[in-house]
Amino acid sequence: QKEVEQNSGPLSVPEGAIASLNCTYSDRVSQSFFWYRQYSGKSPELIMSIYSNGDKEDGRFTAQLNKASQYVSLLIRDSQPSDSATYLCAVPSGNTGKLIFGQGTTLQVKP
Amino acid sequence: ETGVTQTPRHLVMGMTNKKSLKCEQHLGHNAMYWYKQSAKKPLELMFVYSLEERVENNSVPSRFSPECPNSSHLFLHLHTLQPEDSALYLCASSLSHSGANVLTFGAGSRLTVL
Repeated sequence: QKEVEQNSGPLSVPEGAIASLNCTYSDRVSQSFFWYRQYSGKSPELIMSIYSNGDKEDGRFTAQLNKASQYVSLLIRDSQPSDSATYLCAVPSGNTGKLIFGQGTTLQVKP
Repeated sequence: ETGVTQTPRHLVMGMTNKKSLKCEQHLGHNAMYWYKQSAKKPLELMFVYSLEERVENNSVPSRFSPECPNSSHLFLHLHTLQPEDSALYLCASSLSHSGANVLTFGAGSRLTVL
């Protein structure tokens, strides 16, 4: 089992719809969870972090964490074409700063 | 300059060449990282430095040699690379090397090995 798993997509949604991106992880002791966004040809940038079970909202973005199911998701409401990018889920493993990234899900928002 | 700066942005080298990638961070962070990003594969951590000391070497071939002279600068020395080493090499920094810290990435160095 991969340490961090994501569906590579592409996930295609119409403009204005809700995009739902999912991630599962294998390390049960993980405490921090991150979503990075990477536009084509650019470097990853952090958009959300979540540490506790439940939901965390930031503008149009909501991160959801379920530690019992080892599942973290990212919801993007009112999706815009500018949201088209690859979304990377990342989970720390161990104490050395070893951030394990998933393969990333490519999101396409069609006007 | 601000953030994390990487040079060169693009590099083409032959398998017998020796070159270096440079990374500089202006954020006052204490940890720096090299990641490799290949097409269709997850980001792979190569090296972690904390206060100029290497704390992680992720089974990287010896043809990649990191150097961290101070907490603001990180190099990746390259020699006798293989075509499969062609990838985007990303430098990142964080406040400390604790896994809970947010990474700030540089723009990357796109390497092509002929």
